[in-house]
Amino acid sequence: KNEVEQSPQNLTAQEGEFITINCSYSVGISALHWLQQHPGGGIVSLFMLSSGKKKHGRLIATINIQEKHSSLHITASHPRDSAVYICAGKNYGGSQGNLIFGKGTKLSVKP
Amino acid sequence: SQTIHQWPATLVQPVGSPLSLECTVEGTSNPNLYWYRQAAGRGLQLLFYSVGIGQISSEVPQNLSASRPQDRQFILSSKKLLLSDSGFYLCAWGTAVFSTGGEKLFFGSGTQLSVL
Repeated sequence: KNEVEQSPQNLTAQEGEFITINCSYSVGISALHWLQQHPGGGIVSLFMLSSGKKKHGRLIATINIQEKHSSLHITASHPRDSAVYICAGKNYGGSQGNLIFGKGTKLSVKP
Repeated sequence: SQTIHQWPATLVQPVGSPLSLECTVEGTSNPNLYWYRQAAGRGLQLLFYSVGIGQISSEVPQNLSASRPQDRQFILSSKKLLLSDSGFYLCAWGTAVFSTGGEKLFFGSGTQLSVL
C-alpha cells in the first residue's frame, strides 16, 4: 500500500463542474504539495500547505492534519485544467525535496 | 525571474551507452537542486539532491550519478545505461517557505529517456 493514496485515479468532468481530488496519507508529514503535470510531462507546483486552506484563482487546497487528508478543489472547471494532479507529502526530517508522491489523478475536462 | 532549463526533451539510447542530462537554473543563487525519476505507471521518486557546489546526496542506490560543477548546474550521468533506467527524469530547484518550514519546488520540463 502506497503511503500517499489519491482518489480517484481518473476523473472526467464537464466544463463548469466543481471538481474534488482527494489525498490521504498514512505517515506523519510536515507539509503537503499539490502538483500539476501537463501532457508532455512538465510539472508545476500549485500549493504547499501544512495546515488549513489555500486559494489561488479557481483552485483551493485544504488539509486536515489530524485526519491525514488533503483535498484539491477546482471551481468552474475548464478544458485547460485537464492534467494529472499529484499530491506529495514531506516526511519529517530528510531533505526538503524527498517527498512521498501519490500516483496522480488524471483529470479530463470536456467542453 | 527564476527559470529552470532541462535538456534534452527526449533521448533514445542503447543499453550500455553513457548518459548525460543537464539542468541549469537562472535567476537565483545557491538553490537546492533535485533529480527525480518517474517510471512508467509509478509515482515520482527522488534520485539525488544537492545543497551546494560539489555536494551530492543520493536517496536510492542505482546505476546513476549526479554532479554539481557550478552553483546553478546539476548533471545526471551514467557510464552504462540499463534497460531499467528508462523513464521520465525531472530536475527541480527549491526555495524555502519560512512560514511553513517547507520548500516550494520548481520543476524543469523533463527528459523522456528510452533505453533500448
